[in-house]
Amino acid sequence: AQSVTQLDSHVSVSEGTPVLLRCNYSSSYSPSLFWYVQHPNKGLQLLLKYTSAATLVKGINGFEAEFKKSETSFHLTKPSAHMSDAAEYFCVVIPRDAGKSTFGDGTTLTVKP
Amino acid sequence: DAGVTQSPTHLIKTRGQQVTLRCSPKSGHDTVSWYQQALGQGPQFIFQYYEEEERQRGNFPDRFSGHQFPNYSSELNVNALLLGDSALYLCASSRGGPITSYEQYFGPGTRLTVT
Repeated sequence: AQSVTQLDSHVSVSEGTPVLLRCNYSSSYSPSLFWYVQHPNKGLQLLLKYTSAATLVKGINGFEAEFKKSETSFHLTKPSAHMSDAAEYFCVVIPRDAGKSTFGDGTTLTVKP
Repeated sequence: DAGVTQSPTHLIKTRGQQVTLRCSPKSGHDTVSWYQQALGQGPQFIFQYYEEEERQRGNFPDRFSGHQFPNYSSELNVNALLLGDSALYLCASSRGGPITSYEQYFGPGTRLTVT
């Protein structure tokens, strides 16, 4: 069995300040982990992925995430928020031997000017 | 290179009716997964098709069925529609096979409203 918990349903930051979106997971098998972003009325876009290579993963638009097996976490960070980062963010786990995706409930990121 | 395409964009059906949604995967992809996203929630995995067979299935009733064609496109069928089936239905494609990163590309979705 697998599950994903996004610890914050809403995060609000000021433009230019750091972003931290938290994700914890559980998986019976060694997982692949992903972050996706969904802008209003737009499709889901892949931000970054972890698939057993480097534990610090860099993605698009300045985002990065660190896989911490001991803490079963995969938190998403960005040093400096931009207004265009305002969107819904989803953490996803896929057990490597199973292929069945589990999405978290999402975190809404608001960026204040 | 076209990405994942879905049709129709919007659909309104009545309770008890049947609906078919369509998906064409990104070029080079052979695996299609379907998701249901209710308002304000994360996508829920319905099932995945690879080599024209259902490979994985989520916790959805048998009213939800699918098909994959030799050109890798896919259909999602829902029978006996309920009001609770109203949602955004997302299709995602990826490269399957024994070595896969499971990296999925999503289509824009089909908004189904059941009245």
